[in-house]
This record gives sequence, C-alpha cells and structure tokens, in this order.
Amino acid sequence: DQQVKQNSPSLSVQEGRISILNCDYTNSMFDYFLWYKKYPAEGPTFLISISSIKDKNEDGRFTVFLNKSAKHLSLHIVPSQPGDSAVYFCAASFAGGTSYGKLTFGQGTILTVHP
Amino acid sequence: EAGVAQSPRYKIIEKRQSVAFWCNPISGHATLYWYQQILGQGPKLLIQFQNNGVVDDSQLPKDRFSAERLKGVDSTLKIQPAKLEDSAVYLCASSFYPTGEETQYFGPGTRLLVL
Repeated sequence: DQQVKQNSPSLSVQEGRISILNCDYTNSMFDYFLWYKKYPAEGPTFLISISSIKDKNEDGRFTVFLNKSAKHLSLHIVPSQPGDSAVYFCAASFAGGTSYGKLTFGQGTILTVHP
Repeated sequence: EAGVAQSPRYKIIEKRQSVAFWCNPISGHATLYWYQQILGQGPKLLIQFQNNGVVDDSQLPKDRFSAERLKGVDSTLKIQPAKLEDSAVYLCASSFYPTGEETQYFGPGTRLLVL
C-alpha cells in the first residue's frame, strides 16, 4: 500500500529555470508533509515542510504547495542551481496517535540541474 | 553539534549469516528510528524508539530482525539470518520529540549487500 507516491523517477532542468517536483498521497489523515533531499552516500536532509492546515510554505528558493482536495503537493525550486542536483523525497506524517513521528516516504525523484 | 553516527558504512555478507549495525543519535534526542531503503525506493520505517521503549515495530520482520536501545542512547539493529532481499541501506535517524512536524536527522546509513 503506497500511501505516498512520486510518479516521476527523474527530472532534468536548466540552471536558472524552475524545478517542480510532484507528490501524491492517499491518506487524508496525514497532518504534515515534508521534503527531504539526499546526496549519494549521505543520509536524507530535511528541506522544507508544510502543515495540512496551510496551502503554501516558502523558504528562500524553495516553496511547497499543498492541494488537499487533490491530495497533491509540489516542491518548487526557483532558480534551480547545479548544487540542487540530488534525490528528493516527499514524506508525510501524523501529529498524534500511535503513528506519531513516523514518516511515510515516496519513492524519490532524481533532479538533475544542468549548467 | 555532532550528527547521527552509524557504523559500519558498508558490509558484505553471505546469506544466512548474521550482521549488526550501530547507531549513535544526536545528543539529547529521545526518539530514534531505523529505516530500510531498498534501491529505487524511499526509506521504510522498521522500528521507532522513544528513549529505550519501542513505539512502533509493525514493519520489522521479527523472525529475523531485532533491535535494542539500551540506556536510551545508542541503538543496535541485528539481522539473523540474512536473506538476499535484505540488501539495502539501513538508515538511522533521531529527533528531539516524536511529533509529526519534528525534523528527523538522518545518519549516512549502512549499505548492506547480501550475496
């Protein structure tokens, strides 16, 4: 049961352009959504998150949009830089209950930013 | 501040052998997680500890996997006996609180290859 899905295995963009990474989920009870970035041979690092009560959160070049009716979120990177090339994971979590703190990850999207 | 430490970084074993991984979380973090990341997939939670108690081990294959967190600090994950499908990266993460919005900090992972 894949509750969090990233349907695009890879994305290639030109430096300076916008990168848009997408994520879909099936469980409407998720309270938080997070994006993690992973470089080869390193663990994932937290990038940005959004609460289910919001529809947008911005942090510098990174913006996450949440569309609850469509159970869809996206990560926008503007402008894209070569150092952004990495695997991006979408994840979801619950605020409480027996599963609090547990992250459910998507499969990841490999972003390549060309100079 | 030191990050999450894991060892070994790489391990190659034959099927039916046993193996153990070690994790030292960020100082003061009460919650510790072990994830399994199979190639091409997102990390999957195996077990979550709160101090030295187990919060969630619903996805841990208990017939062959075991984990402990004595004294609520370091943790060890063991596989005995290993199967070919256990080949994956094993990630340890920690957080201060187990809430859904709390950032989890990941270690570099242990890459296991079972031959």
